[in-house]
Amino acid sequence: ILNVEQSPQSLHVQEGDSTNFTCSFPSSNFYALHWYRWETAKSPEALFVMTLNGDEKKKGRISATLNTKEGYSYLYIKGSQPEDSATYLCAFNSGNTPLVFGKGTRLSVIA
Amino acid sequence: KAGVTQTPRYLIKTRGQQVTLSCSPISGHRSVSWYQQTPGQGLQFLFEYFSETQRNKGNFPGRFSGRQFSNSRSEMNVSTLELGDSALYLCASTRGGGAAETQYFGPGTRLLVL
Repeated sequence: ILNVEQSPQSLHVQEGDSTNFTCSFPSSNFYALHWYRWETAKSPEALFVMTLNGDEKKKGRISATLNTKEGYSYLYIKGSQPEDSATYLCAFNSGNTPLVFGKGTRLSVIA
Repeated sequence: KAGVTQTPRYLIKTRGQQVTLSCSPISGHRSVSWYQQTPGQGLQFLFEYFSETQRNKGNFPGRFSGRQFSNSRSEMNVSTLELGDSALYLCASTRGGGAAETQYFGPGTRLLVL
């Protein structure tokens, strides 16, 4: 059974702080790693899909890195804003299997 | 371009009943996946349909079934409902169902079983 772990489970930061969280996944049979943002009462929204070891993606103040050899990805948010408050999900795919999601990191940004 | 839609948005049923949920993917998308989310759990994969064929199935009992129509709309059915089936059910669509394709999620159907 594939296991995807996210840490921390929840995080409270002040507006303006930069933060990061981790997604750990199996390092064998890697195909793709997805990041989604899920705001309360909305649908999960895709942030990044990463496929190459060493890949870095950026979208505004949010960026992500990928290390497939050691099985982890970091998501960074620079200068957190209240509108960044959401649950951030990562999901791993080994190519032949469906996406396996972690339980998410719940971020609260306090103004 | 319209997003993924799901109906109904909320549903209350009693134990033993059956329920059907519907998902309409983004136009042109042929793959639809279904997920269950319960408190404290991540999104649990139920099944994926592509071109009317079930391509993958998660580890759920046979009470959970689905189908896809020629217009790519998908339905999910749960028979003999149990209290533990209370959850948010999400569907997601992609164009071809590839592993590196972005999944576009619907708003979900929240099912409460009493």
